[in-house]
Amino acid sequence: SQKIEQNSEALNIQEGKTATLTCNYTNYSPAYLQWYRQDPGRGPVFLLLIRENEKEKRKERLKVTFDTTLKQSLFHITASQPADSATYLCALDISGDMRFGAGTRLTVKP
Amino acid sequence: DGGITQSPKYLFRKEGQNVTLSCEQNLNHDAMYWYRQDPGQGLRLIYYSQIVNDFQKGDIAEGYSVSREKKESFPLTVTSAQKNPTAFYLCASKQGEWNTEAFFGQGTRLTVV
Repeated sequence: SQKIEQNSEALNIQEGKTATLTCNYTNYSPAYLQWYRQDPGRGPVFLLLIRENEKEKRKERLKVTFDTTLKQSLFHITASQPADSATYLCALDISGDMRFGAGTRLTVKP
Repeated sequence: DGGITQSPKYLFRKEGQNVTLSCEQNLNHDAMYWYRQDPGQGLRLIYYSQIVNDFQKGDIAEGYSVSREKKESFPLTVTSAQKNPTAFYLCASKQGEWNTEAFFGQGTRLTVV
């Protein structure tokens, strides 16, 4: 069966360090993968999209990699801040059927 | 001001009653989605629609129904057949093309007592 797995439920890091979150998928062949941020009680907000022919994408302090051989995406937040504390979700869109991983709850401690 | 609006933000219903959650978007998006989120859990797909008058079941469609009579609107009815309806419900929309982002509403927290 098809699965999207974010293999850390929670991640705690110190301010200033780099946070690395993982998204693995099975039985999918996505053309692209997306990352979203969700704050408590709110809807997810889009952060980055990476296509299968892109190895890496950056936006300010965010960096996403996409390895279609490993079926994995890594999401990095450099120079993390307490304001980065949130749940981060990866998502795959297969012919309009949009599925999300369970998310990783990141806490950045001052 | 373009966006996607869910209403109400909080909703209480008695067990055994059907309830309809509203989702409206003025982004001219073709595709719309309904997700359910339980505490500490990810988003589970209930239904989605890629075009007016057409929709597909997601993983947990049992006990729910939808309609897509207009492009802007995709209401979700939680029926009395849904065994555990208390949850946070999220509606999303996106352009029909694959490589586009989804926009989410603020969510409706439904509590059935």
